[in-house]
Amino acid sequence: GENVEQHPSTLSVQEGDSAVIKCTYSDSASNYFPWYKQELGKGPQLIIDIRSNVGEKKDQRIAVTLNKTAKHFSLHITETQPEDSAVYFCAASPHTGGFKTIFGAGTRLFVKA
Amino acid sequence: EPEVTQTPSHQVTQMGQEVILRCVPISNHLYFYWYRQILGQKVEFLVSFYNNEISEKSEIFDDQFSVERPDGSNFTLKIRSTKLEDSAMYFCASSESQRQGYTFGSGTRLTVV
Repeated sequence: GENVEQHPSTLSVQEGDSAVIKCTYSDSASNYFPWYKQELGKGPQLIIDIRSNVGEKKDQRIAVTLNKTAKHFSLHITETQPEDSAVYFCAASPHTGGFKTIFGAGTRLFVKA
Repeated sequence: EPEVTQTPSHQVTQMGQEVILRCVPISNHLYFYWYRQILGQKVEFLVSFYNNEISEKSEIFDDQFSVERPDGSNFTLKIRSTKLEDSAMYFCASSESQRQGYTFGSGTRLTVV
């Protein structure tokens, strides 16, 4: 089945710097890649997603890139702010096997003021 | 903004007891899911539900687990005989269509003692 690897597990940046989180997936037929942000004591919240027919997508300070050949996708956060501090999960939806989404292990992002 | 509602927020139960975790998905969503997250670890898929039946389940979702949509609004997860290792945060999620981002509830923290 699908496996999603995520790096780094922890990332600490200075306010205003950029943060990059990288993921790889194993199922080449996966075609939908959402990113979730989880704040303490809350459920994951969808922040951006990308489909396999697109290489890049941007929403204000957040961008995602997808390299289907290498089976890599990344989250880029620019001009980080303290409120960006949270756990970020990448995920992939396999083309086959029902409707599940498989999550990466998460990246704990600390933005230092 | 529409929300997925989960009750209770915290449940403590004795080992061997049955528990029912309750969820009210977003009203126009058709796909429903249960995930669990052991403290500090990844979000793990349990089961997906569509058209009043299970569409996929993971190896975690054994015979001790069941799901039900008893009426037009509730979606429940039952654990028949809880074990210590069932202690986790359980998240319900729903989506409007396949391979779209989920809306997660705030979770139920299940503690088995």
